[in-house]
Amino acid sequence: NAGVTQTPKFQVLKTGQSMTLQCAQDMNHEYMSWYRQDPGMGLRLIHYSVGAGITDQGEVPNGYNVSRSTTEDFPLRLLSAAPSQTSVYFCASSYDTGTKDTQYFGPGTRLTVL
Amino acid sequence: KNEVEQSPQNLTAQEGEFITINCSYSVGISALHWLQQHPGGGIVSLFMLSSGKKKHGRLIATINIQEKHSSLHITASHPRDSAVYICAAGNKLTFGGGTRVLVKP
Repeated sequence: NAGVTQTPKFQVLKTGQSMTLQCAQDMNHEYMSWYRQDPGMGLRLIHYSVGAGITDQGEVPNGYNVSRSTTEDFPLRLLSAAPSQTSVYFCASSYDTGTKDTQYFGPGTRLTVL
Repeated sequence: KNEVEQSPQNLTAQEGEFITINCSYSVGISALHWLQQHPGGGIVSLFMLSSGKKKHGRLIATINIQEKHSSLHITASHPRDSAVYICAAGNKLTFGGGTRVLVKP
């Protein structure tokens, strides 16, 4: 199993550009989530999904969209990038809801918005 | 006040020393998670526990539900244990700020 994969590893955007961070898992996990990690702050939940077709907002959802059309994929879209979105983004998945099962994390995407 | 707080923020130990990292939480939990983030950035789940104690190799995690407190212990620490250790709790996983551990040879 590849586990949780994320692409790209690094990305530089200009303010106002859009892009999609990709996340995929091959473990048939129902629960998937996106986090951002900023210096001096803990990981913060952006959006999460409890299954295909179901998504919900986390702690810091503004500026981000998600969809879950398949069990395997959970892309994160930035519609109009802002410097405040410069961060490291992690995708994670688990069998059950986030708090009841081991979380598997992707390798992260380091995003810089100029 | 953060819902999940860790102490200390930074810790330096000599190889072989016993290390303790503390986590206090104010959110309701079904389980508390301990994670490890290596200098390269990858995050790995170490433990998920809802009561008592768990042990994996030289790592031991304990939790006291009544006191809303958990500890992560590293016995006979080694330089390869150098990493950031993170605890997380709550229905949507609130994360502590992390404890940066440096083990010197």
